[in-house]
Amino acid sequence: EVELLESGGDLEQPGKSLRLACGVSGLTFSDYAMSWVRRSPGKGLEWVSSISGTGDATYYADAVKGRFTISRDNSKNTVYLQMNSLRGEDTAIYYCAKLPGSSPGYWGQGTLVNVSS
Amino acid sequence: QTVVTQEPSFSVSPGGTVTLTCTLSSGSVSTTYRPSWSQQTPGQPPRTLIYNTNTRSSGVPDRFSGSILGSKAALTIAGAQADDESDYYCMFYMGNGFSLFGGGTKLTVL
Repeated sequence: EVELLESGGDLEQPGKSLRLACGVSGLTFSDYAMSWVRRSPGKGLEWVSSISGTGDATYYADAVKGRFTISRDNSKNTVYLQMNSLRGEDTAIYYCAKLPGSSPGYWGQGTLVNVSS
Repeated sequence: QTVVTQEPSFSVSPGGTVTLTCTLSSGSVSTTYRPSWSQQTPGQPPRTLIYNTNTRSSGVPDRFSGSILGSKAALTIAGAQADDESDYYCMFYMGNGFSLFGGGTKLTVL
């Protein structure tokens, strides 16, 4: 069974930083790109960032480019999202996901990030 | 900026059939975009129902089906049940590592 477990969500002030982590089990981690997706209050799902299986390639939505950094440690089966210069509009539940494509998708339970002074 | 559009809301009677659709502002949908459909109920994470246009995820009942209808991606739910009442999101793989979600459809079963 594939499991993804996020951690690191918290209440943080605007301008500050947070680091999310996601541990993955049940699949050959390094074979797959991994992603972060968020859902803000009253809004739909929004793709945030993806990283290739090797970690050599990273991709970001315009809303977070230059502020967020995705990374992975294949020896620990873990993917990270470093979130800097946080803004109120970053408030959301952040989901770690192996997004569907030509193979099935898997989702974590999510971790809440609340950016407020 | 490419936008994915879904019906904001839809209603279906119990036992009825409903087709939700997704359009791409840049043009017709094709299998190249690997359209997928995920279901999300309040307080729960998303669950992928359909991937790669029309492949059901493990454990998903066969009353859920995906297709391309004309220029749109489509999710058809046959024999709708009360617990199908959820938000449904389509997603396209846009290439070069980028993915794009639709705004979601809120399905009511009544």
